[in-house]
Amino acid sequence: SQQGEEDPQALSIQEGENATMNCSYKTSINNLQWYRQNSGRGLVHLILIRSNEREKHSGRLRVTLDTSKKSSSLLITASRAADTASYFCATDPNTGNQFYFGTGTSLTVIP
Amino acid sequence: ETGVTQSPTHLIKTRGQQVTLRCSSQSGHNTVSWYQQALGQGPQFIFQYYREEENGRGNFPPRFSGLQFPNYSSELNVNALELDDSALYLCASSLRLVPGELFFGEGSRLTVL
Repeated sequence: SQQGEEDPQALSIQEGENATMNCSYKTSINNLQWYRQNSGRGLVHLILIRSNEREKHSGRLRVTLDTSKKSSSLLITASRAADTASYFCATDPNTGNQFYFGTGTSLTVIP
Repeated sequence: ETGVTQSPTHLIKTRGQQVTLRCSSQSGHNTVSWYQQALGQGPQFIFQYYREEENGRGNFPPRFSGLQFPNYSSELNVNALELDDSALYLCASSLRLVPGELFFGEGSRLTVL
C-alpha cells in the first residue's frame, strides 16, 4: 500500500499561476522528498526536506513539512507549460533510502 | 540524464512466463532499489540491494527476486508472470547510508498478456 497520499489528484492551472499540492503520510519519517515524472518516464528528484526542517526553497519550488500533522506541501510559483507532469511525495521512515511514494498529483499548466 | 540505464525499455510476455530486467547504476552508487509502478499509481518499493545482498523488501511475493553484481549493476527477475505484473519497473541507484535522493532510470515497461 502507498505510504502517502497526494491531494489533489489532478490540478489544472494557467501559465504564470502558482500550483500547490499536498501530501499526507502515515508513519514517522526521517526525510521527505518530492519527485516529478513526465508521462510514463523515470522520476526526477526535485527537493528533499529533513524531519527537523519546516520549510525549504529551491528556485521556484517551496516545500513545507509539518511532522505533527504528518503532511507536506509543494508550491510551484510562476508555473510554466513545461511544469506539466505528475508530482509525487516520497517518505523514508528508516534512513535506508527505501522510499514509499504517494499516489501523485497530475499537474497540467495551460499556456 | 541520471546515469542510470535500464533494459529493455519495453517488452511483452504471456502469463506464466519469466522475465529479467536489467539496470546499470550511476557511477559510484552502491545501492540499487527496484520499484513497480502500475498505470495511474505511484511507484511501489519492491526491494533494495546493497553489496550484492537484499537489504529490505516491500510487500511483494518471492517470485520477485533480484541480483546485484560486483559492479553494482542489478537484475530484477519475475517468475510465473501474472496479468497484474503489467507495469513500469523502475530502477533507482543511491549511496547507502547517505540519506538523499534516488536517481531513477527511465524504466522498463512490461506488458503481460
